[in-house]
Amino acid sequence: GNSVTQMEGPVTLSEEAFLTINCTYTATGYPSLFWYVQYPGEGLQLLLKATKADDKGSNKGFEATYRKETTSFHLEKGSVQVSDSAVYFCALGGSGYSTLTFGKGTMLLVSP
Amino acid sequence: GAGVSQSPSNKVTEKGKDVELRCDPISGHTALYWYRQRLGQGLEFLIYFQGNSAPDKSGLPSDRFSAERTGESVSTLTIQRTQQEDSAVYLCASSLEARATGELFFGEGSRLTVL
Repeated sequence: GNSVTQMEGPVTLSEEAFLTINCTYTATGYPSLFWYVQYPGEGLQLLLKATKADDKGSNKGFEATYRKETTSFHLEKGSVQVSDSAVYFCALGGSGYSTLTFGKGTMLLVSP
Repeated sequence: GAGVSQSPSNKVTEKGKDVELRCDPISGHTALYWYRQRLGQGLEFLIYFQGNSAPDKSGLPSDRFSAERTGESVSTLTIQRTQQEDSAVYLCASSLEARATGELFFGEGSRLTVL
């Protein structure tokens, strides 16, 4: 079956620190990979995606590279801001999949 | 509407009562999804609709759970004889079509508390 494993949180960082949130997956077929973000009081929204191996998704200073050899899609940002505090979800799915399979989410807390 | 709308945003009920949760998807989105998010857990897939049909009901936890969609628009998730373990945030999402790009647009969720 399909599954997504994320590092457990919360991840606590100071502003301008480097961020990595690990995500690995198990899937049948060739999924697309996604990062969704949930800001406090809001619904989940797509942050970035990659549709095939070696693709890099990027948005708002975040990036993640689809690594088929390590079945990973780690989220990175070079310098986090307080406004990045949120819960981040890694997911797989896309064409050929009826829905998305999500990880448990990782809470990020950024302090000034 | 501009986004996916869910109601109620919060619902407190007594064990054994039935509850209905409503989802209004983005206009024109043919696919609609229900997920459940328990405290400290990831998103658990419940069911999805393509149009008014539900090709995949595999995630519904028990026969107390049912969902319907009418007019390729509004969907209702019904939980009968609620139990305390049903307490969770129920999330609805929609997309242009299933098995497409995979981008889902989520509502803010309905938080259900069963006492």
